[in-house]
Amino acid sequence: DIQMTQSPSSLSASVGDRVTITCRASQGISNYLAWYQQKPGKVPKLLIYAASTLQSGVPSRFSGSGSGTDFTLTISSLQPEDVATYYCQKYNSAPFTFGPGTKVDIK
Amino acid sequence: EVQLVQSGAEVKKPGESLKISCKGSGYSFTSYWIGWVRQMPGKGLEWMGIIYPGDSDTRYSPSFQGQVTISADKSISTAYLQWSSLKASDTAMYYCARSSSSDYWGQGTLVTVSS
Repeated sequence: DIQMTQSPSSLSASVGDRVTITCRASQGISNYLAWYQQKPGKVPKLLIYAASTLQSGVPSRFSGSGSGTDFTLTISSLQPEDVATYYCQKYNSAPFTFGPGTKVDIK
Repeated sequence: EVQLVQSGAEVKKPGESLKISCKGSGYSFTSYWIGWVRQMPGKGLEWMGIIYPGDSDTRYSPSFQGQVTISADKSISTAYLQWSSLKASDTAMYYCARSSSSDYWGQGTLVTVSS
């Protein structure tokens, strides 16, 4: 099965900083990649699907890119409400494995 | 409005059986996959499996194959996750989510297994 990795596992940045999270698949998955945000104690929320398509209602400071095995989630200007854990997930074929997550907080 | 409403929290003993539910509304239930996701306390998201209610096509993660059963009753727009014999290690929050890219999520069902 395809394995998903994320880096870094955690990061601390200042408000207004540009933040980049990387997700890597052990084999090519085309653009079948989604990103989710989970705030503490809350239900996960879809941010991006098809690697780069912003889900309706998601702020435009979030963006995604990549194809094949390497993907990135970028927050162009980190806001206090972006404190959360971010997960990538492949969905080209089952199992639809999640990455281990990246915890983002404010410095 | 698309909604997935899950059944309430459960407290069970090891060895007991359990079936939790996820009821969809606001969309064509038979036209979208419904998946299940486990989140153990303080841990990340784990994909368990998925079902297509239209024809009951079901796929499992190898980690959960044989450990749980996913089913659906399209007549009442409800998907299920069940265990025949719970273990303490099944203690977790369980989420259902619509479609392969999980665009809508249920509120979660907390399952606690303790003697």
